[in-house]
Amino acid sequence: DAKTTQPPSMDCAEGRAANLPCNHSTISGNEYVYWYRQIHSQGPQYIIHGLKNNETNEMASLIITEDRKSSTLILPHATLRDTAVYYCIVRVPQGAQKLVFGQGTRLTINP
Amino acid sequence: DGGITQSPKYLFRKEGQNVTLSCEQNLNHDAMYWYRQDPGQGLRLIYYSQIVNDFQKGDIAEGYSVSREKKESFPLTVTSAQKNPTAFYLCASSISAGGVRDTQYFGPGTRLTVL
Repeated sequence: DAKTTQPPSMDCAEGRAANLPCNHSTISGNEYVYWYRQIHSQGPQYIIHGLKNNETNEMASLIITEDRKSSTLILPHATLRDTAVYYCIVRVPQGAQKLVFGQGTRLTINP
Repeated sequence: DGGITQSPKYLFRKEGQNVTLSCEQNLNHDAMYWYRQDPGQGLRLIYYSQIVNDFQKGDIAEGYSVSREKKESFPLTVTSAQKNPTAFYLCASSISAGGVRDTQYFGPGTRLTVL
């Protein structure tokens, strides 16, 4: 699986959009970008994933650059409950695979 | 309400005792997984099961055992042979193992402390 790089921490004001970047310059053509988050002492929560097109669901939007070397997770109206560690993972959905979380970005939403 | 449940949320055990962690899902998922997470660490795969009555070892299976007698249940037993069992244990499931339907969804976790 391709390696990802994320900033260790970010802050965002409540009600504003939170934009979390992820670099994955060595991504291969069949690897998807997945985003999870983990609120303290809870299980990881799946957010969204995509291959090359931008994706949106009820939680977030995922913007993948045309060259697929980076992506941005957007939480459109951040709330205090969005404070968590966010993980960007790049993987091929093939076979039963372990999920490998990097260090992630600790996002703090401030009132 | 569909989801994955793990029980108990907190578990204390004395050294030398075996303990079984429960994981149940009503999502009709074929694949189930057990991970361990230590403070400040990532996830490590213990066991996974792609289908009923079948399971495979992950990266750190020593000292653990599982069974998959029913599609919705994948209990994990932490045996006395596990050297450092104190950790946060996470169960996950996916529609299938492999392909675009393998997105893993996690339960709330069980925090095991060995006294």
